[in-house]
Amino acid sequence: SQQGEEDPQALSIQEGENATMNCSYKTSINNLQWYRQNSGRGLVHLILIRSNEREKHSGRLRVTLDTSKKSSSLLITASRAADTASYFCATDAPGGSQGNLIFGKGTKLSVKP
Amino acid sequence: NAGVMQNPRHLVRRRGQEARLRCSPMKGHSHVYWYRQLPEEGLKFMVYLQKENIIDESGMPKERFSAEFPKEGPSILRIQQVVRGDSAAYFCASSPGSGLLREQYFGPGTRLTVT
Repeated sequence: SQQGEEDPQALSIQEGENATMNCSYKTSINNLQWYRQNSGRGLVHLILIRSNEREKHSGRLRVTLDTSKKSSSLLITASRAADTASYFCATDAPGGSQGNLIFGKGTKLSVKP
Repeated sequence: NAGVMQNPRHLVRRRGQEARLRCSPMKGHSHVYWYRQLPEEGLKFMVYLQKENIIDESGMPKERFSAEFPKEGPSILRIQQVVRGDSAAYFCASSPGSGLLREQYFGPGTRLTVT
C-alpha cells in the first residue's frame, strides 16, 4: 500500500510565485525526505526532516512535518523555470530494514517563465 | 567525488533475453539500494544490499530477478528472460550506512526497454 502520497498531482505556476506541495503518509516514520526528479533523469535529494523536527529550511526550500497529522509540506519560494520537475516525498519503511524508502507518486511542478 | 554511476543508461532487450544493470556506489558508500520506476509513477523499492550480503529483498519479484554486491566491483541487478512488463527505469542509490537518518544518493538510472 502507498505510504507517501503527494498532493496535488500536478501544479502549474508562474515564475516568482511560491509552490506548495503536500505529502501524507499512513504509519509512523523515523524521517521523511523530499526528492526532485527532472524529466528522464535521476533523483536529487533535497532535504531530510527527522520525526522530532517540525520545520527545516534549505535555501528557497522550506519543509514542515506534522507527525500528528502524518503529513509534510514542501514550499519552494520565488520559483524559477528551472524548478520545473517532479517532486517526491519518501519515508522509511515501517518495520522494514531501515534501508528502503517508500515513495509517493509525486507532484509534477511546472513553472512558467 | 563522483556520484552514483549506473550503466548502461539505456538498454534494449528482446523478450526472453537477459538484462544486466550495473551500479557503482559513491566512494565510501557500502550500502546499495535498487528501485524500479514505471512511467508516471514513484519509485518502488526492490532490494537493499551491503557488500556480499542481501539485507532486504522484500521488493524483488520472486522469479527471474536477482541482485548482488560483490566484495569488489559494482552491484549488479540481473533480470533473466525479460518480458515487456519489465520495461521501466531502474535506479540505484547508495548511502554510507544504514539506519534511520541516512540520505540515499541516486544514480541517473538505466532505462530498460523490452521489445
